[in-house]
Amino acid sequence: EPEVTQTPSHQVTQMGQEVILRCVPISNHLYFYWYRQILGQKVEFLVSFYNNEISEKSEIFDDQFSVERPDGSNFTLKIRSTKLEDSAMYFCASSAAETQYFGPGTRLLVL
Amino acid sequence: DAKTTQPPSMDCAEGRAANLPCNHSTISGNEYVYWYRQIHSQGPQYIIHGLKNNETNEMASLIITEDRKSSTLILPHATLRDTAVYYCIVRVAGVGTSGSRLTFGEGTQLTVNP
Repeated sequence: EPEVTQTPSHQVTQMGQEVILRCVPISNHLYFYWYRQILGQKVEFLVSFYNNEISEKSEIFDDQFSVERPDGSNFTLKIRSTKLEDSAMYFCASSAAETQYFGPGTRLLVL
Repeated sequence: DAKTTQPPSMDCAEGRAANLPCNHSTISGNEYVYWYRQIHSQGPQYIIHGLKNNETNEMASLIITEDRKSSTLILPHATLRDTAVYYCIVRVAGVGTSGSRLTFGEGTQLTVNP
């Protein structure tokens, strides 16, 4: 069964550093998403992406964040200058239509 | 999207049916009921969704009341691996809504006991 994959599974970085989280969506899906979950809190929507542009973003997704589909298979989330409060699980998801399928997540720890 | 209300926690004996309720009294006619679960910080896993008819797949059954103001997710024979947080999400679906966000609440922590 096809699934969303994410790399790395864990990332530790210093405050102020740039990080790129990578996702490979399910191959015939056209919609891509990033969510995050701070430890002990709810899963929160960050951004959705379709046809090479952002289709919706939340108030969390500020200028420090960007997304890109650099080739036909990868979908990336970049955080330009990480803050302590960016420590969280980051989940990528994809959908062919409405039903979203999630990857296993990347645990980001900012020190 | 309509708000949902779920009990914070439930217990179930292994092998028994787990019935997880969800209230969505402000649901609109074009809103679907989706169920996801999250096993210990893993990515949310899609379970099932429905509009007004009852639905069944290999994982679960979804029973939606006739007035659509509440629903129940049924895991017919719960196993220890079904221990997870279960999220009921109401969401508009249809032409032009693909790509829109899922809004997760607190969900129900289901614990399946041996």
